[in-house]
Amino acid sequence: GQNIDQPTEMTATEGAIVQINCTYQTSGFNGLFWYQQHAGEAPTFLSYNVLDGLEEKGRFSSFLSRSKGYSYLLLKELQMKDSASYLCAVRPPGAGSYQLTFGKGTKLSVIP
Amino acid sequence: NAGVTQTPKFRILKIGQSMTLQCTQDMNHNYMYWYRQDPGMGLKLIYYSVGAGITDKGEVPNGYNVSRSTTEDFPLRLELAAPSQTSVYFCASSYIPAGHRGGRSYNEQFFGPGTRLTVL
Repeated sequence: GQNIDQPTEMTATEGAIVQINCTYQTSGFNGLFWYQQHAGEAPTFLSYNVLDGLEEKGRFSSFLSRSKGYSYLLLKELQMKDSASYLCAVRPPGAGSYQLTFGKGTKLSVIP
Repeated sequence: NAGVTQTPKFRILKIGQSMTLQCTQDMNHNYMYWYRQDPGMGLKLIYYSVGAGITDKGEVPNGYNVSRSTTEDFPLRLELAAPSQTSVYFCASSYIPAGHRGGRSYNEQFFGPGTRLTVL
């Protein structure tokens, strides 16, 4: 089975940097995803990590440590439009397994 | 491309009624998924399909049925609606190449806009 933990809510100031953590306990691991979901909308893909280290994509970066079962999403130069929920999801092991298990999400509020 | 489309956007059902949530994708994706999202609970996988004619249960399949007669369509059926099925339902799709053994971003899932269902 898989257990994924994220903070429920966070608040940050426009222009600042925020780090959203995700820890997971799984019976196996084959990749970790971050999705963004604005209120009332569908989730959209942000990043994917399968190896340890940092993946950078513009203002967003995602880090993974497989030995610690830990990931974070780093958002720089926060904008008001970054107010959304951020979902951490883990893909289980196995060549034929492409299902995702999602955490409960972290609701980020960006304030002026 | 329209991507993943879902109908209806909203629906209110009475207990015991049945309905079908429609999902269509025009990206020629082989994998399709149905999730439900309850407030504060994250996305839970109901059913998924790896191709036309092949479906399998996810984490919370009870009370639901699916079929996959074509690559494009993956409808979700509720036979006897219950208040516990009040939720937002998302359909998603992804492309997994034949013989793929894992790699970067191949499981990126594209989501439809969702269906808000209330059972009273």
